[in-house]
Amino acid sequence: GAVVSQHPSRVICKSGTSVKIECRSLDFQATTMFWYRQFPKKSLMLMATSNEGSKATYEQGVEKDKFLINHASLTLSTLTVTSAHPEDSSFYICSAKQGLRNTGELFFGEGSRLTVL
Amino acid sequence: AQSVAQPEDQVNVAEGNPLTVKCTYSVSGNPYLFWYVQYPNRGLQFLLKYITGDNLVKGSYGFEAEFNKSQTSFHLKKPSALVSDSALYFCAVSVFTGGGNKLTFGTGTQLKVEL
Repeated sequence: GAVVSQHPSRVICKSGTSVKIECRSLDFQATTMFWYRQFPKKSLMLMATSNEGSKATYEQGVEKDKFLINHASLTLSTLTVTSAHPEDSSFYICSAKQGLRNTGELFFGEGSRLTVL
Repeated sequence: AQSVAQPEDQVNVAEGNPLTVKCTYSVSGNPYLFWYVQYPNRGLQFLLKYITGDNLVKGSYGFEAEFNKSQTSFHLKKPSALVSDSALYFCAVSVFTGGGNKLTFGTGTQLKVEL
């Protein structure tokens, strides 16, 4: 199957700093990528839909100025957590859709665990 | 709005016994249904999907799921569980939106297979 790579897998930062997480589709082009946040023992919460070459679409309640998403190429989307605070600590997961079909499964990255001190 | 319910937070089963992880959904229109598995501190891995056709879908690692339209269910099953199947399982649903696979996930079911 298709491979999605996320980096870094773990990051620890101080409160007030910004952290960038990268999501790459390694062997396919992804016109659409999705960013999720997962709390302990909880389901995935969709944060935003990232479309190559256009602005991301954020879900209700997600601060777009806090979570900056850039999808500059067909293989890379980035999520930047700006001025991170301890409540931003979480497991962030990206996924990518292969091709244009809406019936295809999504391929997920391995996730990035952010800890804000 | 679409939604998914996984009524069991945890399912315990002995190795070698059959397992079932339950999922029901609610959508307007025809659903696309998926099962994913997540191991600790990892991303999600695709197991299987139902789009159309045969109601019984076979997927990875010996798992299968049956689409039941009248009961709006898509339960995950395996005839003989393995200890290595222990993980967190998510059911997900989407409908055609024209904007890509916007999946709605259930809350997850922790499967524990014991010797």
